[in-house]
Amino acid sequence: AQKVTQAQTEISVVEKEDVTLDCVYETRDTTYYLFWYKQPPSGELVFLIRRNSFDEQNEISGRYSWNFQKSTSSFNFTITASQVVDSAVYFCALSATDQTGANNLFFGTGTRLTVIP
Amino acid sequence: GAVVSQHPSRVICKSGTSVKIECRSLDFQATTMFWYRQFPKKSLMLMATSNEGSKATYEQGVEKDKFLINHASLTLSTLTVTSAHPEDSSFYICSARRKSATRKNLAGELFFGEGSRLTVL
Repeated sequence: AQKVTQAQTEISVVEKEDVTLDCVYETRDTTYYLFWYKQPPSGELVFLIRRNSFDEQNEISGRYSWNFQKSTSSFNFTITASQVVDSAVYFCALSATDQTGANNLFFGTGTRLTVIP
Repeated sequence: GAVVSQHPSRVICKSGTSVKIECRSLDFQATTMFWYRQFPKKSLMLMATSNEGSKATYEQGVEKDKFLINHASLTLSTLTVTSAHPEDSSFYICSARRKSATRKNLAGELFFGEGSRLTVL
């Protein structure tokens, strides 16, 4: 099965705290991509990162960092020194083949992050 | 980065009418566009995959006669909700995959539109 699980439905942190959003995936593909998207209250989806299955290097971009561990099928996302503007729903997604062989994007159910000032 | 524009961003219509939502890739060619539906506080559910010049592929449970998808050019796909009813009220988001001839998986970033909120009275 191609599946993404974001076990944390909602998280609240106080501003300046660090927060990690968990993402666990299942896939039968050997080549796949993982994504994180941010959906602020306005609704649009903002692309944050893409990682391919052959690249397990962790990545840091400003206050954002991602930890990809193939051994545990996880692709966790950490925001350091959180800010109120980080409040949003964050989606983890997997790009893999569906039953028809087409390449599709499978989304997790999202984690709603609230940063309290 | 690549820009995908959706129009209208909000639409309110009466029950029984049809509504068309446009999805345009503004600065790139998109061989494939995807239509998602998002219920309040829920994840995005893929409705259909639209390939330029061919019929859309609908996901299981999505009524193709209800949600008409047309991908007439490499920069435009439309979703028409026919004979809309209140249960069709939702947030509809499109995404576009940049044309790429290099990889089988074509798994470059997907670029999402801003979404269209449909309210059917």
